[in-house]
Amino acid sequence: GQNIDQPTEMTATEGAIVQINCTYQTSGFNGLFWYQQHAGEAPTFLSYNVLDGLEEKGRFSSFLSRSKGYSYLLLKELQMKDSASYLCAVINAGNNRKLIWGLGTSLGVNP
Amino acid sequence: EPEVTQTPSHQVTQMGQEVILRCVPISNHLYFYWYRQILGQKVEFLVSFYNNEISEKSEIFDDQFSVERPDGSNFTLKIRSTKLEDSAMYFCASRGTFLNNEQFFGPGTRLTVL
Repeated sequence: GQNIDQPTEMTATEGAIVQINCTYQTSGFNGLFWYQQHAGEAPTFLSYNVLDGLEEKGRFSSFLSRSKGYSYLLLKELQMKDSASYLCAVINAGNNRKLIWGLGTSLGVNP
Repeated sequence: EPEVTQTPSHQVTQMGQEVILRCVPISNHLYFYWYRQILGQKVEFLVSFYNNEISEKSEIFDDQFSVERPDGSNFTLKIRSTKLEDSAMYFCASRGTFLNNEQFFGPGTRLTVL
């Protein structure tokens, strides 16, 4: 089967750093995305990892370990507007590159 | 910046009615997708479309669903006889080339079946 696991909810304080973990077991792997989703809106792209290691993009970083089936999204200098769901999605094997999604982690940022 | 657009933003329909959800992908993209997200649940793959035909579909995408690219710009999802459980957000996405993995999402259509 195919499974992507993330914590359901997390809370953090404005200005802090938070790490959101994602573990996956899929039949194939062509890369992993992190998306941000505000309620009632479409997912918006945050990061993409296909090789092991850390990708940094401003306040956001994403890490991948393919051998462990593990990724995390690191958010620094948290702002209130970062309150959203963060979705981990794996690109399945095959030419179609369909996305297999986790349930998402709802992050609440408190003042 | 080019973007994927979807219409309508919200559709309310009676059970058993047909609905057509419309998407305009980014103009030079070659791969197209529909996903849905039932409230409080994960995003689910429905179908992928390439070279004017379905390339893959999920178990959700049964005979009640169809997709079409009637001209060079629109990409539509039709549900022939809607059920209550079809109520969800439907997202269209497009991807540029075979080597480019990023999918660009439209804003979604919220479908409510009464």
